[in-house]
Amino acid sequence: ETGVTQTPRHLVMGMTNKKSLKCEQHLGHNAMYWYKQSAKKPLELMFVYSLEERVENNSVPSRFSPECPNSSHLFLHLHTLQPEDSALYLCASSANIAGFTDTQYFGPGTRLTVL
Amino acid sequence: GENVEQHPSTLSVQEGDSAVIKCTYSDSASNYFPWYKQELGKRPQLIIDIRSNVGEKKDQRIAVTLNKTAKHFSLHITETQPEDSAVYFCAASKSTGNTPLVFGKGTRLSVIA
Repeated sequence: ETGVTQTPRHLVMGMTNKKSLKCEQHLGHNAMYWYKQSAKKPLELMFVYSLEERVENNSVPSRFSPECPNSSHLFLHLHTLQPEDSALYLCASSANIAGFTDTQYFGPGTRLTVL
Repeated sequence: GENVEQHPSTLSVQEGDSAVIKCTYSDSASNYFPWYKQELGKRPQLIIDIRSNVGEKKDQRIAVTLNKTAKHFSLHITETQPEDSAVYFCAASKSTGNTPLVFGKGTRLSVIA
């Protein structure tokens, strides 16, 4: 699969579990993003990385911890989540951060259910 | 910060009719306005975008118009087809200050055959 890939596609976890979401982009982009998509708030920006440096953290609870080891990979580490964290987590990438005006390409998402 | 309002939240049209989705934004410095389409169970994909130096852009059956004075922009889909059924998101951002895309809440479009 080309473009932006995410694994796993589906994840069910208990509130005490620790899990990680993985995103990989094959587009040679410099910027990567995590979004949360739920019914109540369709697309919420969580984190933004540009050239492996975090440039945006939208008041996300500390139970979500991002990691960007290189410009092609982005992780979201999950710990002690709450049922209201159940949502579709989308990764995206764009060529540059440049005011975020570059086209963002989304991955297929990870459907997370917290029991 | 930027605030984007999108209307309507749901829209049903007969196949062949036109559909119009409207968005307003609050930050007059915003200059980039993309539209994304998300089909059921799939990822959002960019379908068209417009920058503030033009008032209208067209790509086959879809067009976007921008009114900077009124701070609103609209998506127009003509000759709708069942495969146009999806959720459409508008967004706004500006090219300065590392400001992120701010998305509207989405419009669920249903095209009835």
